[in-house]
Amino acid sequence: GAGVSQSPSNKVTEKGKDVELRCDPISGHTALYWYRQSLGQGLEFLIYFQGNSAPDKSGLPSDRFSAERTGGSVSTLTIQRTQQEDSAVYLCASSLVQNTEAFFGQGTRLTVV
Amino acid sequence: GQNIDQPTEMTATEGAIVQINCTYQTSGFNGLFWYQQHAGEAPTFLSYNVLDGLEEKGRFSSFLSRSKGYSYLLLKELQMKDSASYLCAVRDGGFQKLVFGTGTRLLVSP
Repeated sequence: GAGVSQSPSNKVTEKGKDVELRCDPISGHTALYWYRQSLGQGLEFLIYFQGNSAPDKSGLPSDRFSAERTGGSVSTLTIQRTQQEDSAVYLCASSLVQNTEAFFGQGTRLTVV
Repeated sequence: GQNIDQPTEMTATEGAIVQINCTYQTSGFNGLFWYQQHAGEAPTFLSYNVLDGLEEKGRFSSFLSRSKGYSYLLLKELQMKDSASYLCAVRDGGFQKLVFGTGTRLLVSP
């Protein structure tokens, strides 16, 4: 596609429910990142996929968070048993190779009520 | 681990020059990026430094000193539309992940 696509753009969920956030990277991009941004804050690293290598999961805040990338393309970030502190904008980015600029999607705004 | 520091907020006047500093401490280094982020929007790429020195791109320039763990973004001839957050990000040399600082909110006034 022309850019990084994320869906849904907005998600309101009840506390305790599971949510899935989707990221479609730019075609051919081997590196994919997930970040979380709370209101007025910086980008918090969550997870990084590079090609077929094992992902770097060091930023996932708890075992309620998981992510996968199928076929080296689309990625899904899953949050189980959502909590109010999970409310944030979740941003996905991709890059052609690991040492080039990353392009960001528009993000998914998650609100847990 | 990684530690990336930037000032939280800066103000400047339209037409002026502003320098936004970034210091970093990482377990490895494989490049430094600057991004611009307007409120409610996704970050967009501004510049990339991997070697020491100055990279110039129009009104924006970015400098890197690897020995000092230091970079700055220089914005010239400021315009109102430059009011945004500016994010410094370092690519970790070992794990290759891209880690961001907390960002500097720049307010340009008339």
